[in-house]
Amino acid sequence: ILNVEQSPQSLHVQEGDSTNFTCSFPSSNFYALHWYRWETAKSPEALFVMTLNGDEKKKGRISATLNTKEGYSYLYIKGSQPEDSATYLCAFYSGNTPLVFGKGTRLSVIA
Amino acid sequence: NAGVTQTPKFQVLKTGQSMTLQCAQDMNHEYMSWYRQDPGMGLRLIHYSVGAGITDQGEVPNGYNVSRSTTEDFPLRLLSAAPSQTSVYFCASSYQLSGANVLTFGAGSRLTVL
Repeated sequence: ILNVEQSPQSLHVQEGDSTNFTCSFPSSNFYALHWYRWETAKSPEALFVMTLNGDEKKKGRISATLNTKEGYSYLYIKGSQPEDSATYLCAFYSGNTPLVFGKGTRLSVIA
Repeated sequence: NAGVTQTPKFQVLKTGQSMTLQCAQDMNHEYMSWYRQDPGMGLRLIHYSVGAGITDQGEVPNGYNVSRSTTEDFPLRLLSAAPSQTSVYFCASSYQLSGANVLTFGAGSRLTVL
């Protein structure tokens, strides 16, 4: 079973702070890396799909980078807002097998 | 456009009972999958299907059965419920099993086995 690690497990930040967290994945047989946002009592929603080494994606105040050679991706949130509070999941795709999810980073933004 | 519809949203079972969680999608997605979410464990794949008539096991398939007779539907059957199957279950689909295709999730089904 492929190992996808996310750190930290949880994070508390003040409103207005910028923050980032990490997703680590196997650097071999890389096809794609997904980021999902999962609010409490809702279902996960896709943020980004990243496929190329050096990829950078941005959606409003959230951005992500990808390093496939060393097997990590960073998710950044600039100027965190209470509505950013959620669990952020990354998922690794290595070929013809399904996505493997990390356990997520739970972000709480305190007003 | 309803997306991925899961029923029921909540269910309480007694140990040994059987039941089926329903999942339907109206997006003509070939790939469908079932996950369970437990505290501290993230999303774990139970079963998946890359098209009608084709199913395969995921990470935690024991105690569950699936079939895919149509593109739209992918029911998950609990054969003899156990307390260890108390969890939140998510159905998810995508156009194809491909890294480029993101998953669309259903709203989840919370199952409690007493």
